Amino acid sequence: EVQLVQSGAEVKKPGESLKISCKGSGYSFTSYWIGWVRQMPGKGLEWMGIIYPGDSDTRYSPSFQGQVTISADKSISTAYLQWSSLKASDTAMYYCARPILDCSGGSCYPYYFDYWGQGTLVTVSS
Amino acid sequence: EIVMTQSPATLSVSPGERATLSCRASQSVSSNLAWYQQKPGQAPRLLIYGASTRATGIPARFSGSGSGTEFTLTISSLQSEDFAVYYCQQYNNWPLYTFGQGTKLEIK
Repeated sequence: EVQLVQSGAEVKKPGESLKISCKGSGYSFTSYWIGWVRQMPGKGLEWMGIIYPGDSDTRYSPSFQGQVTISADKSISTAYLQWSSLKASDTAMYYCARPILDCSGGSCYPYYFDYWGQGTLVTVSS
Repeated sequence: EIVMTQSPATLSVSPGERATLSCRASQSVSSNLAWYQQKPGQAPRLLIYGASTRATGIPARFSGSGSGTEFTLTISSLQSEDFAVYYCQQYNNWPLYTFGQGTKLEIK
């Protein structure tokens, strides 16, 4: 059974750093991309970026480039989302999700998300 | 960036009735369009991919249609468990996949 288990809720102060995690199991972790999605309080879903743990190829949405860092440790099947200096506006629920991989066109691309983590609530407040 | 626009923002429908949700892309995404359902306190759940293919375990009352820039999610006979927020997502423009802002389906 495919599972994505995220780390627990965090409460931080502005300016602090943070790294949250997403552990994959039940599938070959290095063969699938892992994406991160933000959901601010009462708002919609925002695609942040995505990483391929097999070779650490990472892509970011322009809105999040330079604001967060996505990484992965394939030895422990875990992806990470980190901030070096949190702001109050980073307060949100963060989901990791695994997209299905489509190789029908010769090259392989991640597509829609078929598995999601349970979410990690990050609260940034002074 | 491809902008996905969903309408209406909120849809009020009575149980047993039909609901039609729309999603428009700012440029063609072919059939690379997915729909997700999100209930309060839960992660999103995949409903439809390829614009019209139901995901595993999704009831037949959910159907998707469209291609290019115009897409529709139809729920043929609303059940109580269907009241939720629905999001569309395009996955045509690698690596910048974008979501719509969501449609809240509420009980009338």
